[in-house]
Amino acid sequence: NAGVTQTPKFRILKIGQSMTLQCTQDMNHNYMYWYRQDPGMGLKLIYYSVGAGITDKGEVPNGYNVSRSTTEDFPLRLELAAPSQTSVYFCASSPGGIETQYFGPGTRLLVL
Amino acid sequence: GDSVTQMEGPVTLSEEAFLTINCTYTATGYPSLFWYVQYPGEGLQLLLKATKADDKGSNKGFEATYRKETTSFHLEKGSVQVSDSAVYFCALYYNQGGKLIFGQGTELSVKP
Repeated sequence: NAGVTQTPKFRILKIGQSMTLQCTQDMNHNYMYWYRQDPGMGLKLIYYSVGAGITDKGEVPNGYNVSRSTTEDFPLRLELAAPSQTSVYFCASSPGGIETQYFGPGTRLLVL
Repeated sequence: GDSVTQMEGPVTLSEEAFLTINCTYTATGYPSLFWYVQYPGEGLQLLLKATKADDKGSNKGFEATYRKETTSFHLEKGSVQVSDSAVYFCALYYNQGGKLIFGQGTELSVKP
């Protein structure tokens, strides 16, 4: 069981570039989440999904987009990268609302 | 709104010392409470949880009791090891869409 996998592990972007952070889970979980973690801060929720075809904004959605065409995949899109998006991004999944969330290893993004 | 406040780190202890990491919360209703741990270079993983008042969550020698009267969920361990060095996050389950609200994290460093 791979759990939650994320790619890439690390990426450097120039201001204005675009990229997609990939997230895949093999646990057949309905709920999936994207968080960002800034130094000395807790995790902030960017977007989440309660099932294929359903997504909703979290606390800090500006500058990001998501889609959920399958149960397994939940990619996060950055359209015009800005230095403020330099962070570590974590994807997570859970079977349901109150259940434990399972986290991927994270993607470290640096925008210069 | 709902929030979680943790004691600031970093916390540095000697091996076999007693650990307490304070966590208090503000929430409407009766949230579920969690402690997650993040080892260096990894994603978060659930350490323990409690779903109602007076419940005690425990795992790997760590304990936390859900205290409704003091709105607290302090993490304790009687004898820490070097391998416990990590960042610890307190979180509450937000009663909408299965969203977790995280504290800012407390870094623990255990010296031999």
